[in-house]
Amino acid sequence: QKEVEQNSGPLSVPEGAIASLNCTYSDRGSQSFFWYRQYSGKSPELIMFIYSNGDKEDGRFTAQLNKASQYVSLLIRDSQPSDSATYLCAVLYNFNKFYFGSGTKLNVKP
Amino acid sequence: DGGITQSPKYLFRKEGQNVTLSCEQNLNHDAMYWYRQDPGQGLRLIYYSQIVNDFQKGDIAEGYSVSREKKESFPLTVTSAQKNPTAFYLCASKGAETGSNQPQHFGDGTRLSIL
Repeated sequence: QKEVEQNSGPLSVPEGAIASLNCTYSDRGSQSFFWYRQYSGKSPELIMFIYSNGDKEDGRFTAQLNKASQYVSLLIRDSQPSDSATYLCAVLYNFNKFYFGSGTKLNVKP
Repeated sequence: DGGITQSPKYLFRKEGQNVTLSCEQNLNHDAMYWYRQDPGQGLRLIYYSQIVNDFQKGDIAEGYSVSREKKESFPLTVTSAQKNPTAFYLCASKGAETGSNQPQHFGDGTRLSIL
């Protein structure tokens, strides 16, 4: 069993602030790392993914990967109330199986 | 439009009944997956398939069955052996080639409840 750990939250940030979401994983053989956003009652939607050490930026979102520490994070700049959702971290193993964390609930307060 | 279609959106199961959830994709993806999500939890893998006529058990396959007779379709049957079927069921597919780092994309889900 591959473990993917996330703080369940809720994480509360004021509108316009930076939200920082963290994820750790147990298997060093994991290849790629994904962040999904899930609104209540809806299916997950992909925000971004990363597979090389370092940072990857896409608009207001930055994913950071540190394979030595087995740690991946998602930064959301200029947080908006519409960013309020649960954020799921997923890890790809063996190029065919995905393991998910239980998600971090983010509340962005106007 | 390309995507993943799950049906029905809501499903109710009677005691002792088998029910089948549909998942169809027109993305030409080889790999397809079924997950179960319970309230406040992450996704748990039920079954996955890398190619037509082949599939593997995930972490919680007991009480479920699947088939993969066509590339586009991966139906999930929740059998009467699954004693706690109430959950949100998600189907996903992944871009094609072996060794790919591509992400999964999800359908809109089916919410199953016991009558």
